[in-house]
Amino acid sequence: VQVVQSGAEVKKPGESLRISCRTSGYSFSVYWISWVRLTPEKGLEWVGRIDPHDSYINYSPSFQGHVITSVDKSINTAYLRWRSLKASDTAIYYCAVPADDSGYFHVFWGQGTRVTVSS
Amino acid sequence: IVLTQSPGTLSLSPGERATLSCRASQSVSTNNLAWYQRKPGQAPRLLIFGASSRAAGIPDRFIAGGSGTDFTLTISSLEPEDFAVYYCQHFGTSPPMYTFGQGTKVEIK
Repeated sequence: VQVVQSGAEVKKPGESLRISCRTSGYSFSVYWISWVRLTPEKGLEWVGRIDPHDSYINYSPSFQGHVITSVDKSINTAYLRWRSLKASDTAIYYCAVPADDSGYFHVFWGQGTRVTVSS
Repeated sequence: IVLTQSPGTLSLSPGERATLSCRASQSVSTNNLAWYQRKPGQAPRLLIFGASSRAAGIPDRFIAGGSGTDFTLTISSLEPEDFAVYYCQHFGTSPPMYTFGQGTKVEIK
């Protein structure tokens, strides 16, 4: 299993952004894909997850309404999108795959996408 | 559910034992409790799932256990590559969501 994320981004407050996560080595529709944020202040925080099979989504209440996740099954890729970035969105964002039927933990992780939001 | 890890930082020497704690705000199923290791510049790495089962390739110096609200990760004898930040994580089903502890940094003394 491989999980490859898009590269680092530098944006200004108010700009939009979409980052990607491409997986391979397993059937894309079988496992949920989660997004996890890492900051020095708060450590790891779960953002949300999407079921590639039917695009059913769960968001953390802390992120609901501020980010949108989606998938393109034709290219085994998940996306995380912001319509209007804030400085507080500055972080490293990981996508992660449970690769386990329970979905209780994440085995495979992308390398992370560093997002910097600064005027 | 809130996960509280302690201590925040552990300063130890190679060869010493590290004991990390993760306390849940209410009783949780052991099935839903995991531990991760994160080193600078790397993605988190799954160490433990089901509160006590080592993930594939994890050395047996990593020992974890616990139940109810109190869980522990012990590194029996620290190797140089073990100095990192460790996070516990719970998966709740109603509503579905993952919660991480704030992390314990194990640093070289």
